[in-house]
Amino acid sequence: DIQMTQSPSSLSASVGDRVTITCRASQSISNSLNWYQQKPGKAPELLIYGASNLQTGVPSRFSGSGSGTDFTLTIISLQPDDFATYYCQQSYNTLQLTFGGGTKVEIK
Amino acid sequence: EVQLVESGGGLVQPGGSLRLSCAASRFMFSSYWMHWVRQAPGKGLVWVSRINSDGSGTTYADSVKGRFTISRDNTKNTLYLQMNSLKAEDTAIYYCVREDGDSRIWFDPWGQGTLVTVSS
Repeated sequence: DIQMTQSPSSLSASVGDRVTITCRASQSISNSLNWYQQKPGKAPELLIYGASNLQTGVPSRFSGSGSGTDFTLTIISLQPDDFATYYCQQSYNTLQLTFGGGTKVEIK
Repeated sequence: EVQLVESGGGLVQPGGSLRLSCAASRFMFSSYWMHWVRQAPGKGLVWVSRINSDGSGTTYADSVKGRFTISRDNTKNTLYLQMNSLKAEDTAIYYCVREDGDSRIWFDPWGQGTLVTVSS
């Protein structure tokens, strides 16, 4: 199976901060990498697909980059609605899809 | 708006069985591959199973292989997950998700989830 490692596992930030979350795959996955946002008590929602494509309706302060094994989710100017947990997911191996462990973004 | 609504969760004893359902609406259900993803309390997301659009092909995570069966009824726009020989570690919220994309795939949307608790 392809292992997905996210860092950090949690972070504290203030409204207006720039936030960067990284996701590393245990082998090359090309650009088959998706990001999801999950708020407490809610189902996850798709943010970014194919490493860098913003899902319709997602604010432009979110962006994704990377290919191969290293990927980044960036939030420029963090907003109150962005405090949540973020997960990366690889879809390169479609027989065994795997998620990262998650990054919880908390209010400083 | 595309909608997925899960049901069938509840409390079950270890070794017991449960069948989850996911009712899909407002999209051509029979054209999409579908998945189940679970999340243990306070933990991360774990992919469970996948079924192709006509139900002829399925895939499972190693942790549930041989115990869980995914199926679908395209005439009823419904996805199922039959869970047998349940263990405490199967306790989780189970989400029904639609697979989107072509050469690369992603999950969108997600249902609201149904909680399965395995305990004596």
